[in-house]
Amino acid sequence: DVKVTQSSRYLVKRTGEKVFLECVQDMDHENMFWYRQDPGLGLRLIYFSYDVKMKEKGDIPEGYSVSREKKERFSLILESASTNQTSMYLCASSFGQGYGYTFGSGTRLTVV
Amino acid sequence: GEDVEQSLFLSVREGDSSVINCTYTDSSSTYLYWYKQEPGAGLQLLTYIFSNMDMKQDQRLTVLLNKKDKHLSLRIADTQTGDSAIYFCAESIGGGGGNKLTFGTGTQLKVEL
Repeated sequence: DVKVTQSSRYLVKRTGEKVFLECVQDMDHENMFWYRQDPGLGLRLIYFSYDVKMKEKGDIPEGYSVSREKKERFSLILESASTNQTSMYLCASSFGQGYGYTFGSGTRLTVV
Repeated sequence: GEDVEQSLFLSVREGDSSVINCTYTDSSSTYLYWYKQEPGAGLQLLTYIFSNMDMKQDQRLTVLLNKKDKHLSLRIADTQTGDSAIYFCAESIGGGGGNKLTFGTGTQLKVEL
């Protein structure tokens, strides 16, 4: 069964901490994505990557960075967590046009 | 620009049909998708339609696309309690790398007995 795995389902961090959210896919997909999901706002794209070591800013990249050192792994980094980054974070991967995305189960991050 | 809109809530009785609507503004969209999100889970791809089609049927699901009005709908026949979830439409713009999707706000479907 093909999968996108996010390392944590729930995470609680303190303001100012550096936070790493990890995502691994086993489908040999080129494209990987990080979204955050907030009630009434739907999914908003933070960053995406269409190749190893490549990254592109999405619609809301401020306060975040990413790393893609290997094809299967795409990490989201919160350099200095703030309370307004409390959210559900969803990772996805895709072959390309017309294939849709495969999503992970999400990480619910709370910053206190 | 890209903007995808959906109503936030829909309530139906078990056995009735549900129709979830979506409007988008980018006429260059190539693929349009419907995703389902059950509580505590990620999004699951339900179905998609290519922009040169106006209808696609897959068992209980019917997707209708009106390109002129930039309107997409998902009809679920014989709605069951297991269909209760949030439904997202999404559009994909052709060209370039990354296959970036823009998602709507999601429609919470509640199925009542």
